[in-house]
Amino acid sequence: QSALTQPASVSGSPGQSITISCTGTNSDVDGYNYVSWYQQHPGKAPKLMIYDVSNRPSGVSHRFSGSKSGNTASLTISGLQAEDEADYYCSSYTTSSAVFVVFGGGTKLTVL
Amino acid sequence: QVQLVQSGAEVKKPGASVRVSCKASGNTFTDYYIHWVRQAPGQGLEWMGWITLKSGGTYYAQKFQGRVTMTRDTSGSTAYMELNRLRSDDTAVYYCASQFGSGLYWFDPWGQGTLVTVSS
Repeated sequence: QSALTQPASVSGSPGQSITISCTGTNSDVDGYNYVSWYQQHPGKAPKLMIYDVSNRPSGVSHRFSGSKSGNTASLTISGLQAEDEADYYCSSYTTSSAVFVVFGGGTKLTVL
Repeated sequence: QVQLVQSGAEVKKPGASVRVSCKASGNTFTDYYIHWVRQAPGQGLEWMGWITLKSGGTYYAQKFQGRVTMTRDTSGSTAYMELNRLRSDDTAVYYCASQFGSGLYWFDPWGQGTLVTVSS
């Protein structure tokens, strides 16, 4: 069982927008603005898409945006494209002494 | 920007040890943190620990303490992750990933991954 909760799957048609949620606790998501999002295509390494809740690394499309409200962070992808089909993982700093960061269980995005 | 290249796939028997390497190239003058994250087949990501390339400091996830050792070479460009007493549920792709500096909690970039298969 992952520390952060994500929906197992979401889907959308090309051109539409989708949002993936990531729910944590006041020990992680709710307590700090250190949520990041990773995209992973099959057989590939994860790629950083969003860091510190809403910042985009250089080279990441403006169609990707992040936000947070309370204990839930969200990744929104607008103008869906076929290449966006992938698994998405959220991650957060945590005050748990057991780990440095915690990950969500991942969400499979299907572009219909 | 740093690039990370990992060693090749490994097949090990239960009880054995495995060592995976992660070579950093590019701007390695900064004291990068190299994290190790694993992903079992069809599963999510699991953080294992980090090592600083320049000073060699380490921090391990509680789950792996006593079984994992992270080291780096004297040039400070290659990090190693050794996992002992392997079990079948250690079968996973092991990734190294870089953290640019302290006080940051995101990883970029990642190595290409190393598949470790534990099977009798």
